[in-house]
Amino acid sequence: DTGVSQNPRHKITKRGQNVTFRCDPISEHNRLYWYRQTLGQGPEFLTYFQNEAQLEKSRLLSDRFSAERPKGSFSTLEIQRTEQGDSAMYLCASSFASGIYNEQFFGPGTRLTVL
Amino acid sequence: AQSVAQPEDQVNVAEGNPLTVKCTYSVSGNPYLFWYVQYPNRGLQFLLKYITGDNLVKGSYGFEAEFNKSQTSFHLKKPSALVSDSALYFCAVRDGGGGSYIPTFGRGTSLIVHP
Repeated sequence: DTGVSQNPRHKITKRGQNVTFRCDPISEHNRLYWYRQTLGQGPEFLTYFQNEAQLEKSRLLSDRFSAERPKGSFSTLEIQRTEQGDSAMYLCASSFASGIYNEQFFGPGTRLTVL
Repeated sequence: AQSVAQPEDQVNVAEGNPLTVKCTYSVSGNPYLFWYVQYPNRGLQFLLKYITGDNLVKGSYGFEAEFNKSQTSFHLKKPSALVSDSALYFCAVRDGGGGSYIPTFGRGTSLIVHP
């Protein structure tokens, strides 16, 4: 399977703990995006990378959230001091950078539950 | 600013009947429009996009969408619905006038196809 993969698929944690998610994009894609999706809502943009550079961050991305893509391949999203409001599905997507209207390919998501 | 509205939370249709899932948008420049489908516990899958050209766009699984500039709409259609089409459908838009590459997603419409 050469699609976007995310690990873990599910994460249950206690409030105040730190969690880290990983995304492996399609290998030919140099753009990588993170979204958050809650029940009854569409994906909400968090941040995106072109290669290893983080080019845009949403105001939703509080100081407790940090994302990296150190070698321009996989990416990690870390949430520090988790809160119950962080419970959501975290989606990763990737796309080509050439052309400005390329569709995004999504991974299966990581479902986070904060108790 | 860009925004998307999906006015129906749920659409019910009998198998074999035509289906329409509605989407309206607002952008400052030229709209780039996308439809995605999400099955339970899965990521979003790309169905089709409109960038320019013919107003009727054909996509995966027999779906098509019609771009209507005067009504700022991009409704998703299929001539004959299948039970397996039951899923969550998201419309997305981004402003082709430059700036951010990030699309804005609608809240989603749950399509239920009855046998």
